[in-house]
Amino acid sequence: DSGVTQTPKHLITATGQRVTLRCSPRSGDLSVYWYQQSLDQGLQFLIHYYNGEERAKGNILERFSAQQFPDLHSELNLSSLELGDSALYFCASDPGELFFGEGSRLTVL
Amino acid sequence: AQKVTQAQTEISVVEKEDVTLDCVYETRDTTYYLFWYKQPPSGELVFLIRRNSFDEQNEISGRYSWNFQKSTSSFNFTITASQVVDSAVYFCALSAPSRGGGSQGNLIFGKGTKLSVKP
Repeated sequence: DSGVTQTPKHLITATGQRVTLRCSPRSGDLSVYWYQQSLDQGLQFLIHYYNGEERAKGNILERFSAQQFPDLHSELNLSSLELGDSALYFCASDPGELFFGEGSRLTVL
Repeated sequence: AQKVTQAQTEISVVEKEDVTLDCVYETRDTTYYLFWYKQPPSGELVFLIRRNSFDEQNEISGRYSWNFQKSTSSFNFTITASQVVDSAVYFCALSAPSRGGGSQGNLIFGKGTKLSVKP
């Protein structure tokens, strides 16, 4: 158990819809990272938040947004969903090495 | 550009065989970090090792060992006496300051090597 909690574990939705994925970092960790794992693109860094502030952006689509709240949990919002957004979305926290949550598997039908 | 290449897409071995997973990286940064992660069939990503660019000592942890060679930009991972439970996808990853954010968590991953260990 990495200590990073992600919900929901599985999510099935339709194209055009909007979903929110939630992540709680390990106790005491101030950072949250979001990654996407898809068959086409592999594991890709999306965005990094540190203590409520955005620190770095990766290959995150404009339809996607994230935020980190004062209690340090983070949410990744995915809107206008397309079939290609089907993927495993991971959240992770550090310092040092990244500890990943178990992921949220999103299926867009 | 920064890049991680895991040329071996899939490897299949019989239990108790030794197996080496290759990882080659590219970066212009002088300070960087290399990682290996394991993704078993259940899907979670499990941290195995982190190595910084100034520490070229090889590391051994039980049946696992890592060989870091800056001269060839490689960070290879060897499993000795493989077991069925080692079956998983293994990812090599690189983190460098130029990727932004000032942290080590902005990683670029290789495509992974799927290891199947048969009894």
